[in-house]
Amino acid sequence: SQQGEEDPQALSIQEGENATMNCSYKTSINNLQWYRQNSGRGLVHLILIRSNEREKHSGRLRVTLDTSKKSSSLLITASRAADTASYFCASSNEKLTFGTGTRLTIIP
Amino acid sequence: EPEVTQTPSHQVTQMGQEVILRCVPISNHLYFYWYRQILGQKVEFLVSFYNNEISEKSEIFDDQFSVERPDGSNFTLKIRSTKLEDSAMYFCASSGGVVVYNEQFFGPGTRLTVL
Repeated sequence: SQQGEEDPQALSIQEGENATMNCSYKTSINNLQWYRQNSGRGLVHLILIRSNEREKHSGRLRVTLDTSKKSSSLLITASRAADTASYFCASSNEKLTFGTGTRLTIIP
Repeated sequence: EPEVTQTPSHQVTQMGQEVILRCVPISNHLYFYWYRQILGQKVEFLVSFYNNEISEKSEIFDDQFSVERPDGSNFTLKIRSTKLEDSAMYFCASSGGVVVYNEQFFGPGTRLTVL
């Protein structure tokens, strides 16, 4: 089986609503990182949460980490049309192991 | 703000040809990486590089692949004899600091098309 599975695979919400994406991973990690990718473009680093942290905030982003369940969630509050992109979690033990991604569409 | 750059943005080559993908990592970073993303699939780790040597590589990174840091700024990925299945986006990344477990900053990618 693959490391790093996000759910849902696709999510469409109205602008202004909150978007929650979940991620699971398989092995122990040093940290977990979330990235965003616009269609056909590069990966933009959003936030890093270390294995000894449970929650982290950055602007409209809130990330949680549950190492006992090997899972993480990314919450984007007050979504905007510009948030439309694919979001990936990546578990980190030096190299990054990416999940399959959630394609988020914000409907204006 | 410093960023990772990659050239070319798009490379088209014939099967069996050699290609070199180039990257300029962020200048004070110490760890360098190559990843690839086949269209519609997840991003996959290829290789990490530190202190002028490979520190880890995946099973994808076979003898057809090599990396080099020829000078103080460039980091290259060479594919000796390209195959159709090498068609993908190739991303370079770098991270800095004294520990390896930091955020990795990605370049915009090189789209490799093998015909």
